Amino acid sequence: KAGVTQTPRYLIKTRGQQVTLSCSPISGHRSVSWYQQTPGQGLQFLFEYFSETQRNKGNFPGRFSGRQFSNSRSEMNVSTLELGDSALYLCASSVEGASGNTIYFGEGSWLTVV
Amino acid sequence: GQNIDQPTEMTATEGAIVQINCTYQTSGFNGLFWYQQHAGEAPTFLSYNVLDGLEEKGRFSSFLSRSKGYSYLLLKELQMKDSASYLCAVRDVIYNQGGKLIFGQGTELSVKP
Repeated sequence: KAGVTQTPRYLIKTRGQQVTLSCSPISGHRSVSWYQQTPGQGLQFLFEYFSETQRNKGNFPGRFSGRQFSNSRSEMNVSTLELGDSALYLCASSVEGASGNTIYFGEGSWLTVV
Repeated sequence: GQNIDQPTEMTATEGAIVQINCTYQTSGFNGLFWYQQHAGEAPTFLSYNVLDGLEEKGRFSSFLSRSKGYSYLLLKELQMKDSASYLCAVRDVIYNQGGKLIFGQGTELSVKP
């Protein structure tokens, strides 16, 4: 069974640009969540999608957005990139959002903003 | 507020046993997770507790006391490869739908020969 797949794995962007990250959840998993990990702030919740609907959102500015497609694949977008957006962006999938006892993470997308 | 506390770092000897504690205060609770994360890699799922008690899985065990807002991860027969960051996370449920993981800052475990 394939795990959570994230693309691209590594990317470098310039301040002011925008970036789109992609996540394919484990087959059968309908809930997809996104997290940002930085050395200073640790792992922080960005948003959660279930059946193409955003169900929860973390405390991030509107420059961070996402969506989920009918096949449960998800994308997140960051517009007008800032240096502080440099981080590891992790996608996690689970069978359901509110129940289910396992949440699996993908390998992450390393974003560097210069 | 939402708060999860765990020690910043711990050191243990190969072959020994180590216990990593986690205390939490969250507005909602629908399970506590432990993840292992090696430097430069994604978190790997270790355990999940939603009811009080001990869950054992090989060399790893996790305990939960909901009334005390407390959990621990127990690692037995430590190996050098167990050197990693261990993350405690609580699933906070909002309106009984969905949920988000609230993470502690992680405990950096160093296993020495």
